[in-house]
Amino acid sequence: EPEVTQTPSHQVTQMGQEVILHCVPISNHLYFYWYRQILGQKVEFLVSFYNNEISEKSEIFDDQFSVERPDGSNFTLKIRSTKLEDSAMYFCASSDRGTGRTTYEQYFGPGTRLTVT
Amino acid sequence: DAKTTQPPSMDCAEGRAANLPCNHSTISGNEYVYWYRQIHSQGPQYIIHGLKNNETNEMASLIITEDRKSSTLILPHATLRDTAVYYCIRKDYGQNFVFGPGTRLSVLP
Repeated sequence: EPEVTQTPSHQVTQMGQEVILHCVPISNHLYFYWYRQILGQKVEFLVSFYNNEISEKSEIFDDQFSVERPDGSNFTLKIRSTKLEDSAMYFCASSDRGTGRTTYEQYFGPGTRLTVT
Repeated sequence: DAKTTQPPSMDCAEGRAANLPCNHSTISGNEYVYWYRQIHSQGPQYIIHGLKNNETNEMASLIITEDRKSSTLILPHATLRDTAVYYCIRKDYGQNFVFGPGTRLSVLP
C-alpha cells in the first residue's frame, strides 16, 4: 500500500540554525500539507500546497517557514532560523483531491521529531 | 476551534466493541464528519467519514444521528492495537482539517 514517507525521523539542531524536513508524498497525489504537533498538544495545520504554490497557510506559518517541491517526488519544509518553540513533531500529508472537493482523505507520514536546543 | 466535543478518555475491554461519541450540534448541512486516529506519536490515520447515512468500512462503522448533531464511531472488536487518540472532525467544502484534543481510547487486556 502506498504511503507517505518522511526523513529524518529525528532531527536535532541548535537554535538559530536552518533545518529542512523532507517528505515523499504518495506518487499520484497532487495536494500536500504540513502539520505540527508540539508534545502533548493538538495537531496543528501549517500549510497546504498545490500546483507549485501555497494554497493556504496558518498563522503559525510565518516568514521563517517555507515549502518547496524541488522535484517530482519530494516536498520539503524549511525553517530558516529555528527557535526553541519550534521543537515538535512535523507531519507531512498528501491527498489526491483538495479543499475544492467536498470529501477527500489526507494520508499522513510518520513524522519528523524536531528538537531545537 | 475544532467545533466538536469528545470525551477526553475512554476504556474498552479487548474484544468488545468500542463506541466513541462525538457531539457536533452546530454542524451545517454541507459539513462532513471525519474520524482520524493517532497511535502513540505516529501520523494521524484516516478511519472513516460520512454526511448523513451510516457508513461502514473494514476499520469501523460510523453512526450519525438523524439530526446530525452527534455521531458515534464503532470499532466492533477492539484490539490492543486500537489504543490511540481518536479525533472527530467536521469539515466543509474549502476547509482544511482542524484537529481537536480527541478521545484517548485505552483497550485493556
